[in-house]
Amino acid sequence: SYELTQPPSVSVSPGQTASIPCSGDKLGDKYACWYQQKPGQSPVLVIYQDNKRPSGIPERYSASNSGNTATLTISGTQAMDEADYYCQAWDSSTVVFGGGTKLTVL
Amino acid sequence: QVQLQESGPGLVKPSETLSLTCAVSSYSISSGYYWGWIRQPPGKGLEWIGSIYHSGSTYYNPSLKSRVTLSVDTSKNHFSLNLNSVTAADTAVYYCARAVGLVASVHFDNWGQGTLVTVSS
Repeated sequence: SYELTQPPSVSVSPGQTASIPCSGDKLGDKYACWYQQKPGQSPVLVIYQDNKRPSGIPERYSASNSGNTATLTISGTQAMDEADYYCQAWDSSTVVFGGGTKLTVL
Repeated sequence: QVQLQESGPGLVKPSETLSLTCAVSSYSISSGYYWGWIRQPPGKGLEWIGSIYHSGSTYYNPSLKSRVTLSVDTSKNHFSLNLNSVTAADTAVYYCARAVGLVASVHFDNWGQGTLVTVSS
């Protein structure tokens, strides 16, 4: 079965750029999307179709997908961006989620 | 803005069947899109369970397929999840969500608030 791998945690200082990778076999040939989940809340879609932002998502959220890695980038990271982030793709008629990355802003 | 609300028992006994319903408002299920179930064990990541179209067409997570049944009731504008032979490993927050985009680019743009289901005797 297809797997998406994310680092368990990433740390960033306020105002700096955070990058969260998601790796999978030939992931660049598929579409990737990203969700943000804060404690006790439902996931929120922040990126879809590799690099598109839903309405209401700040411009500081961007993403790319090439080769075996999709990357979520948060520019000018703020305290409110501290959350768990999950990548997701579609493979062989199944939805696959990455294991999640806890972003700490310190 | 479409809204989704999960409902069902919060406690299920081992070996029994977990049954949840997701009521959809401000959007007619019959208008299109797939509708999905995702779960999250306490302190762990997201796991897709399956998705269903208003016609009844389904996709299932292969690891759960033998125990899962999804159904849709367009007259009530809701869809449902049945998971049988549950064990403690099925304890999780269960979310329902709308799946949009072309099949290969499917993503979940609206989520319910989630409901915790505990499997325990």
